[in-house]
Amino acid sequence: DTGVSQNPRHKITKRGQNVTFRCDPISEHNRLYWYRQTLGQGPEFLTYFQNEAQLEKSRLLSDRFSAERPKGSFSTLEIQRTEQGDSAMYLCASSQTGGSRGTQYFGPGTRLTVL
Amino acid sequence: SQQGEEDPQALSIQEGENATMNCSYKTSINNLQWYRQNSGRGLVHLILIRSNEREKHSGRLRVTLDTSKKSSSLLITASRAADTASYFCATANTDKLIFGTGTRLQVFP
Repeated sequence: DTGVSQNPRHKITKRGQNVTFRCDPISEHNRLYWYRQTLGQGPEFLTYFQNEAQLEKSRLLSDRFSAERPKGSFSTLEIQRTEQGDSAMYLCASSQTGGSRGTQYFGPGTRLTVL
Repeated sequence: SQQGEEDPQALSIQEGENATMNCSYKTSINNLQWYRQNSGRGLVHLILIRSNEREKHSGRLRVTLDTSKKSSSLLITASRAADTASYFCATANTDKLIFGTGTRLQVFP
């Protein structure tokens, strides 16, 4: 069990560019979550998948954000036309059962800086 | 949006002392979880307490839950410098976690 991994760990981009992050969950976990955390705040839920199905999206997830989990394994989070307000830590988590019953295990995060 | 708040926002203690953090939340829950986050790093799960439980222990950690008051507390006994981190409570009603604002704990050697 190698835990949840995220790539890249850091991303610096210019405003208006597109970025894509990847999350590899713990292998037997069927649920995968994306959260965003800004400085001094707790993480905020963005979206989650059960297998390949995206079951819920937060209103924080604007049209510029899209997440996929094509084969029910790894997931990608893409931000199009980045804005300075997108600068944050993007955290991925996975769980073996529904989060209301099971523990979510977090990856190290991808820190995005939009210049 | 944040579910609740941790209190205090910041706490500084000496090694060996106990640290108590409180968490209040707003809606009904299935469980409440506590996480630790070292500066700029990912979150580490500490303990989960279900809504029908009142107290849970794990090593030097003790968590209580009072659903009537919609509050929880995390006690770290015999603190160590390595406990220095931010601590978050997170509530689960549906499948997503809703985090509080965190308590920043500083343990001085």
